[in-house]
Amino acid sequence: NAGVMQNPRHLVRRRGQEARLRCSPMKGHSHVYWYRQLPEEGLKFMVYLQKENIIDESGMPKERFSAEFPKEGPSILRIQQVVRGDSAAYFCASSSRTSGDNEQFFGPGTRLTVL
Amino acid sequence: AQKITQTQPGMFVQEKEAVTLDCTYDTSDQSYGLFWYKQPSSGEMIFLIYQGSYDEQNATEGRYSLNFQKARKSANLVISASQLGDSAMYFCAMRRPSNDYKLSFGAGTTVTVRA
Repeated sequence: NAGVMQNPRHLVRRRGQEARLRCSPMKGHSHVYWYRQLPEEGLKFMVYLQKENIIDESGMPKERFSAEFPKEGPSILRIQQVVRGDSAAYFCASSSRTSGDNEQFFGPGTRLTVL
Repeated sequence: AQKITQTQPGMFVQEKEAVTLDCTYDTSDQSYGLFWYKQPSSGEMIFLIYQGSYDEQNATEGRYSLNFQKARKSANLVISASQLGDSAMYFCAMRRPSNDYKLSFGAGTTVTVRA
């Protein structure tokens, strides 16, 4: 039973390019959370999605960032016109439901470097 | 607003000794969950232990135990019999049903185990 998959593991982009980060949740999980970890900091919530719905995007920057979780396929975090400040580790976590003590399982993260 | 505070940016511990990592939190919710994650130098987030706010007993998982003091709003992690492989960053996190169960993380504590 594969865990949460993220790809690519490392991504290098030049300023102004687009970055697409993918997250395949664990089998049977329909809840996906994206977090960003800036260097030397803890993880910060970005967005919470269920299949075909954005539930909470209060942690997303207002511009250039978007996320989706289609009915089929992985969840995508898209960053347009990247800037150096976007350099960070982006983690995806999934869970099967939000109630109770259900654990969120983390993927290995995507490390984005903007040159 | 909720807040997780980890006051120890870095700690050194001798191999085979125990170490306590501090975590305090602030919430007005009655129901919440507290987590500890380990992040080794390879970068992945590894779940260690969970404590529910209504759990009467402190959580334990192998060499990890959580010293939960609800009135003081603290959830310290104790690692017993430290091993060299325990060297990593450790994050305390909280989630609440009222907040869609998204995780809020502390800034982390770096633990270095010395031989």
